[in-house]
Amino acid sequence: EAQVTQNPRYLITVTGKKLTVTCSQNMNHEYMSWYRQDPGLGLRQIYYSMNVEVTDKGDVPEGYKVSRKEKRNFPLILESPSPNQTSLYFCASSHRGGAETQYFGPGTRLLVL
Amino acid sequence: GDSVTQMEGPVTLSEEAFLTINCTYTATGYPSLFWYVQYPGEGLQLLLKATKADDKGSNKGFEATYRKETTSFHLEKGSVQVSDSAVYFCALSGIAGRRALTFGSGTRLQVQP
Repeated sequence: EAQVTQNPRYLITVTGKKLTVTCSQNMNHEYMSWYRQDPGLGLRQIYYSMNVEVTDKGDVPEGYKVSRKEKRNFPLILESPSPNQTSLYFCASSHRGGAETQYFGPGTRLLVL
Repeated sequence: GDSVTQMEGPVTLSEEAFLTINCTYTATGYPSLFWYVQYPGEGLQLLLKATKADDKGSNKGFEATYRKETTSFHLEKGSVQVSDSAVYFCALSGIAGRRALTFGSGTRLQVQP
């Protein structure tokens, strides 16, 4: 089954404690990205990757890091989480982004205390 | 920059009622336009899309027409069902650059039996 998986689905942490949210896709997609969803703001792109070892900033990259060492995986790293990073996070993938259908993971709900 | 404006929700309808969710956009060039749907507890999934002016996207009884003259992409369905209860996001994708989706803030639809 074609899918995007994220782990964990729910996470409660404290300010400053480094965490990683994993994302994996099994569709051999080149393009992957991370979005955060906040009430009244829709989804905003954090980082994206057009291929292995090629990553770049989206609209709201501050406080986040990513890496793309393998085509299927695109982890999101919060090195020192703060309460304003409390949000719902989605990973998405597609062949080349843009006008193509993007496939979204189930989401990770993060609470930073 | 690009932006998408959706009508505020929630929208509450009775089963079999007619649905319209308004969406207008601002973008350079000729973006592709999308409606994504998010069911409770799930990630987003593509509902329909249109890639050029006057195109009509349709799926599961939903329709939307790409109107360049009014920069709109309103979502319609002739007869909603309880199972259509979800959050609906209008989005656009530019033709160049980071190939991200720009989302509206989302409209929650509640359909009552």
